[in-house]
Amino acid sequence: DIQMTQSPSSLSASVGDRVTITCRASQSIGSWLAWYQQKPGKAPKLLLYKASSLESGVPSRFSGSGSGTEFTLTISSLQPDDFATYFCQHYNTYFPTFGQGTKVEIK
Amino acid sequence: EVQLVESGGGLVQPGGSLRLSCAASGFTFSSYSMNWVRQAPGKGLEWVSYISSSSSTIYYADSVQGRFTISRDNAKNSLYLQMNSLRDEDTAVYYCASIPVAGRKTVDYWGQGTLVTVSS
Repeated sequence: DIQMTQSPSSLSASVGDRVTITCRASQSIGSWLAWYQQKPGKAPKLLLYKASSLESGVPSRFSGSGSGTEFTLTISSLQPDDFATYFCQHYNTYFPTFGQGTKVEIK
Repeated sequence: EVQLVESGGGLVQPGGSLRLSCAASGFTFSSYSMNWVRQAPGKGLEWVSYISSSSSTIYYADSVQGRFTISRDNAKNSLYLQMNSLRDEDTAVYYCASIPVAGRKTVDYWGQGTLVTVSS
């Protein structure tokens, strides 16, 4: 199985900050990477797919980059609604796996 | 409005069985592959199983292979997960979801989840 490793596992930031989360795959997955946002008690919400494609309705302050084994999710200017946990997910095969999550907390 | 509504969760003893259901509405269920994804309390997400739109292709995570069975009834717009030989580590919220798989991204639909607790 392909392992996905996110860093950091948590971070504290202020409104307006630029935030970057990294996701590494144990082997190349091309650009078959998705990013999700999850709030407590809710289902995850897709933010980006194919590493950098923004899902419809997602604010443009969210962006993604990378290919192969290294990927990043960037929030250009953190908003109050963005405090949540973020997960990456590869979909290179029929056996998708998720990163362990990055919790973004208020500083 | 798109809705995926899971049901069937609850408390079960180790070794027991449970059948989860997911009722879909608001979209053409029969056109989409579906998955079960679970999340243990306070933990991350784990993909459990995949079923293609016609049920012709099915996959399971190694952790549930041989114990869980995914199925669907397109006439009833429903997805199922039969869970047998349950273990403590199967305790989680189970979501039915359409997620990107095998290089294909279609729609982002998730249910609200149903909690399965395996405990004696």
